[in-house]
Amino acid sequence: AQSVTQPDIHITVSEGASLELRCNYSYGATPYLFWYVQSPGQGLQLLLKYFSGDTLVQGIKGFEAEFKRSQSSFNLRKPSVHWSDAAEYFCAVGDNYGQNFVFGPGTRLSVLP
Amino acid sequence: KAGVTQTPRYLIKTRGQQVTLSCSPISGHRSVSWYQQTPGQGLQFLFEYFSETQRNKGNFPGRFSGRQFSNSRSEMNVSTLELGDSALYLCASSLTGGPDEQFFGPGTRLTVL
Repeated sequence: AQSVTQPDIHITVSEGASLELRCNYSYGATPYLFWYVQSPGQGLQLLLKYFSGDTLVQGIKGFEAEFKRSQSSFNLRKPSVHWSDAAEYFCAVGDNYGQNFVFGPGTRLSVLP
Repeated sequence: KAGVTQTPRYLIKTRGQQVTLSCSPISGHRSVSWYQQTPGQGLQFLFEYFSETQRNKGNFPGRFSGRQFSNSRSEMNVSTLELGDSALYLCASSLTGGPDEQFFGPGTRLTVL
């Protein structure tokens, strides 16, 4: 069964600073990887996904993530954080059939003005 | 195109009661998944329905059940409510339920007193 870890429970960055959120997964085959964002009181919105091909994927809101098979990682990055990026971020892995998503515990991002 | 809708948005019940939550997927989507989100356990997969059949199930007791109708709308039922069932219940829909993007609704906040 697949699993996901997000080592950082809470990260605080200043507005304009760069951001990297870590995600490590465990899965026996090529995983389907996702990053979702959840604002307070809201559902989850997909930021980006990786299925195959180019290991650097671009998403919405200026986010990107890089799949590194050797490190079993799928870290999320953004070069310059905006105050509106404050939210909870979830990494998720789907199996070959995509029917069983496993989410990481989430990383809460706070942005200082 | 309308997004995933969930009703009701908020619900208060007492222990021992039962509750039914509803989810209307995006038009054309045939797969509906349900998740429970709590501060302690994070996002946990409940079950997934595709074409009125339950295809996958998470590790929850039999008190949690669901169904899907021919128009892909889905309901989730929780019987004999316990305090620990207090959570945000999220519904997500996708076209095929394969390794595909899931679109999430805003959730139903259930409080059990």
